[in-house]
Amino acid sequence: DAGITQSPRHKVTETGTPVTLRCHQTENHRYMYWYRQDPGHGLRLIHYSYGVKDTDKGEVSDGYSVSRSKTEDFLLTLESATSSQTSVYFCAISPVGGGYGYTFGSGTRLTVV
Amino acid sequence: DQQVKQNSPSLSVQEGRISILNCDYTNSMFDYFLWYKKYPAEGPTFLISISSIKDKNEDGRFTVFLNKSAKHLSLHIVPSQPGDSAVYFCAATKMKTSYDKVIFGPGTSLSVIP
Repeated sequence: DAGITQSPRHKVTETGTPVTLRCHQTENHRYMYWYRQDPGHGLRLIHYSYGVKDTDKGEVSDGYSVSRSKTEDFLLTLESATSSQTSVYFCAISPVGGGYGYTFGSGTRLTVV
Repeated sequence: DQQVKQNSPSLSVQEGRISILNCDYTNSMFDYFLWYKKYPAEGPTFLISISSIKDKNEDGRFTVFLNKSAKHLSLHIVPSQPGDSAVYFCAATKMKTSYDKVIFGPGTSLSVIP
């Protein structure tokens, strides 16, 4: 098994509510990433982490925040969900960098109504 | 402005024939390229990669070709099998070991018809 799990797998939430998605890994990989997948856009990087408490913004970070207090957990929070944040969210992990290939989680389908 | 482009949203191929998926990029700083495969309701899985110092990399039925001067790469699947039906994402990054951005294309949906 890949050793990366995302929760929840599906979520429906109302506009304006905060939402937290969780990514948990058992591989002890240093690097963790949050992507969103939308039709016509492929996968776009939201935030990433290069160590405990070390995070940085990706290309579509507005409206999102992240936290990494332990190596194994990377949380993505939508501060106040909007309909434009309806998407499929993927977490990915890597031991040494993107060029070696990521391992992705199974995704969280989030619907904001 | 998409830095990695996959201009064919979909492709249909007969089983046993060759599938060719194309990808173009605009950023000349990209140095490492990857292909991912994604089935419905699953996360993408890494398929094959190529460094800019090479023009070809082969792994079983999958071969990736890189034309750096044209900023173009392609994934060849020979022979195509029904299990290859999936969405294929092309991706690029500046350094193999960089934890920085890996940029993905929009994907091409491949259907292999039995």
